[in-house]
Amino acid sequence: AQSVAQPEDQVNVAEGNPLTVKCTYSVSGNPYLFWYVQYPNRGLQFLLKYITGDNLVKGSYGFEAEFNKSQTSFHLKKPSALVSDSALYFCAAALTGGGNKLTFGTGTQLKVEL
Amino acid sequence: DTGVSQDPRHKITKRGQNVTFRCDPISEHNRLYWYRQTLGQGPEFLTYFQNEAQLEKSRLLSDRFSAERPKGSFSTLEIQRTEQGDSAMYLCASSPPNRDVAKNIQYFGAGTRLSVL
Repeated sequence: AQSVAQPEDQVNVAEGNPLTVKCTYSVSGNPYLFWYVQYPNRGLQFLLKYITGDNLVKGSYGFEAEFNKSQTSFHLKKPSALVSDSALYFCAAALTGGGNKLTFGTGTQLKVEL
Repeated sequence: DTGVSQDPRHKITKRGQNVTFRCDPISEHNRLYWYRQTLGQGPEFLTYFQNEAQLEKSRLLSDRFSAERPKGSFSTLEIQRTEQGDSAMYLCASSPPNRDVAKNIQYFGAGTRLSVL
């Protein structure tokens, strides 16, 4: 069975500082990895995905993520955080070869303070 | 394109009643997914349609739950004899045709929040 772990329930960072939201995965085979963001009373919004190729993936709103196969990690990063980045972030994985469903982590609440 | 639409946004019901939710996917998206999200947890997969065919169901989908997508467009999720444990946010997502389904981006609706009293 595949699983996704987000070890931090909450991450606090000052505006302008770099941010990292951690994600590790456990899947058999080569995973497809995703990051989604959820704002209050809104649906999940896609940020970025890793399929294959370059380990550094760039996505929406200045976010990027680094795929590390040896550490089975896919951490979300942003060089300079904004207060408007404050939201709930989810990491998700899908299996290759017909894995339609997404397996999500438990989410990390990001709080960016002035 | 208005995105994935879900109706109602909120539903309050009494234990034992039946409820039905509707999801309208993005037009031309042939794949449609249902997830359930409880407080403090990530979304959990319930079921998946490709066009009108229901291709996969989670063990979470007990016999009280049924989902349909009769014409390959909108979908309904019905819960019969609701229990307090059914209280959750029910999310719908859709994705476009693609040979490798797992590569697809799933676009989510805002969800239907169910409260069972």
